[in-house]
Amino acid sequence: KAGVTQTPRYLIKTRGQQVTLSCSPISGHRSVSWYQQTPGQGLQFLFEYFSETQRNKGNFPGRFSGRQFSNSRSEMNVSTLELGDSALYLCASSPGLASYEQYFGPGTRLTVT
Amino acid sequence: AQSVTQPDIHITVSEGASLELRCNYSYGATPYLFWYVQSPGQGLQLLLKYFSGDTLVQGIKGFEAEFKRSQSSFNLRKPSVHWSDAAEYFCAVGAQVGYSSASKIIFGSGTRLSIRP
Repeated sequence: KAGVTQTPRYLIKTRGQQVTLSCSPISGHRSVSWYQQTPGQGLQFLFEYFSETQRNKGNFPGRFSGRQFSNSRSEMNVSTLELGDSALYLCASSPGLASYEQYFGPGTRLTVT
Repeated sequence: AQSVTQPDIHITVSEGASLELRCNYSYGATPYLFWYVQSPGQGLQLLLKYFSGDTLVQGIKGFEAEFKRSQSSFNLRKPSVHWSDAAEYFCAVGAQVGYSSASKIIFGSGTRLSIRP
């Protein structure tokens, strides 16, 4: 089985712009979670989607949003980018909701200048 | 509140030496526990997991971990490290979100492992 794929792998944006990141889960997996990883804050949970519905959300401002499509692919969007949004954004897929076994993609490295 | 503590920020061991990475968790119920490894610029790879049963868990790449409920610990061990083991290691606990059916993974801050030739 192919693993979790994330596109793009690297992205450079300017403060104030918006960005969309994409995640394709492992085939058959229906749950997708997103995490932000920074040197200062470590790995922080953003949100989880299952059956096209957001099931859980971390403590992030409303500028961070996401969605999931019927084929389980997910996108996350960050609007009005700030310098502090520079991070590695990781997507993880799991077979179902409350399935703690998560498989991570390689991440998207976002740099905001 | 659920939390995971990895007290060692950075550890250096000699190649061929044994390794133990410490992890302590705080969680009210029976925890689901994980160890992940992250190489530079890469995503996280699951090394092993504990859900229930035998408290000594075997994982990939020769790693094992032992769940000790009395100490709230889930330490990762390897008898003999290889240079390729140099990476960042994260301990994590799976937690249910309130009374919902949703879940989330709470990660420790990580331990960076360096290998001395």
